[in-house]
Amino acid sequence: NAGVMQNPRHLVRRRGQEARLRCSPMKGHSHVYWYRQLPEEGLKFMVYLQKENIIDESGMPKERFSAEFPKEGPSILRIQQVVRGDSAAYFCASSQEEGNGYTFGSGTRLTVV
Amino acid sequence: AQTVTQSQPEMSVQEAETVTLSCTYDTSESDYYLFWYKQPPSRQMILVIRQEAYKQQNATENRFSVNFQKAAKSFSLKISDSQLGDAAMYFCAYKGGSEKLVFGKGMKLTVNP
Repeated sequence: NAGVMQNPRHLVRRRGQEARLRCSPMKGHSHVYWYRQLPEEGLKFMVYLQKENIIDESGMPKERFSAEFPKEGPSILRIQQVVRGDSAAYFCASSQEEGNGYTFGSGTRLTVV
Repeated sequence: AQTVTQSQPEMSVQEAETVTLSCTYDTSESDYYLFWYKQPPSRQMILVIRQEAYKQQNATENRFSVNFQKAAKSFSLKISDSQLGDAAMYFCAYKGGSEKLVFGKGMKLTVNP
């Protein structure tokens, strides 16, 4: 069981470019969560998805950010026209069902230059 | 909205000694979960211990135990017989009726040989 896989581990983008972060949940897990960690901060919830559905996106900025979890393939967090303030570590977690334990990936560190 | 507070940004402990990490939270919910996560330099978020609010008995996992005071909304983590591998950032987290985890800002634990 490979656990939650996130790639890339590190991503560097210039201001104005797009960033795509991928997350493959644990085998058998159909719930995916994205969190953002700014330097010296705890993780902040962004979005919760199930297959083909966004359940809760209350933590996601209204502009430039989007997330999907298609029927086949990994979950994608997409940031358009990145700005320096988007630099952070982005973590994905998955669970088998609501209320159950979460397993986190190792995160993607996004640096915007 | 729920909040989680970790008032000590850093602590240190001698190897083999015991250390207690503090955490307080604020909520109006009666049914919830509390967690302690460890984040070593590898950035991986590792679940240390979990407590259900309806359980009066404090959770324990080997050298890790909690002191859960529901009325005081306090959830401290005790690490016994500290080991060098325990050095990491430690995050307290809350989960209520929604699927979001609410994290504290974290505390850096140093273990001195």
